[in-house]
Amino acid sequence: AQSVTQPDIHITVSEGASLELRCNYSYGATPYLFWYVQSPGQGLQLLLKYFSGDTLVQGIKGFEAEFKRSQSSFNLRKPSVHWSDAAEYFCAVGETGSARQLTFGSGTQLTVLP
Amino acid sequence: NAGVTQTPKFQVLKTGQSMTLQCAQDMNHNSMYWYRQDPGMGLRLIYYSASEGTTDKGEVPNGYNVSRLNKREFSLRLESAAPSQTSVYFCASSRDRWTEAFFGQGTRLTVV
Repeated sequence: AQSVTQPDIHITVSEGASLELRCNYSYGATPYLFWYVQSPGQGLQLLLKYFSGDTLVQGIKGFEAEFKRSQSSFNLRKPSVHWSDAAEYFCAVGETGSARQLTFGSGTQLTVLP
Repeated sequence: NAGVTQTPKFQVLKTGQSMTLQCAQDMNHNSMYWYRQDPGMGLRLIYYSASEGTTDKGEVPNGYNVSRLNKREFSLRLESAAPSQTSVYFCASSRDRWTEAFFGQGTRLTVV
């Protein structure tokens, strides 16, 4: 069965610093990969997705992620964090060719210091 | 642009009471889902409906039932609420099973 691991429960960065959130997945074939962001009291918003093709994908709000098959990773990056990026971030993997749905990681809470 | 609308936003139930969470989407999506979110556990799939007229169990279906009323609406019912069902519930929809999901704002349910 597919699984997703986000090893960092909580990350704190200063505004303007770079950010990398880690995501590792376990899946046999080529997965569909997603990053979602959840602001307090809100639903989840899609940041970016990887289905196939270029392994470096660009998303909204200046985020990007790189799919590395050899490391089973899909890490999220941003070169310069803004205070408004403080939120919880979820990595998710979808199973190709199946009726099963997204499996989510447990999330990484991001705090941004002024 | 309503997207995915869930009602109610907040609810407190006594153990043993029943209730239905409502979800509607206006994006003409085929697939709809119900997730629950608990601290430190991410989102776990309760039930999903790949298309109108079909429903299937997800990871944590026990204690819940669903109805795909039509293409727009997908409801989640708790027949006899238990404290373990205290959670935040999210409805989501997607064009099909392999595209990104769009989420509602969530329902915060407390069972006392």
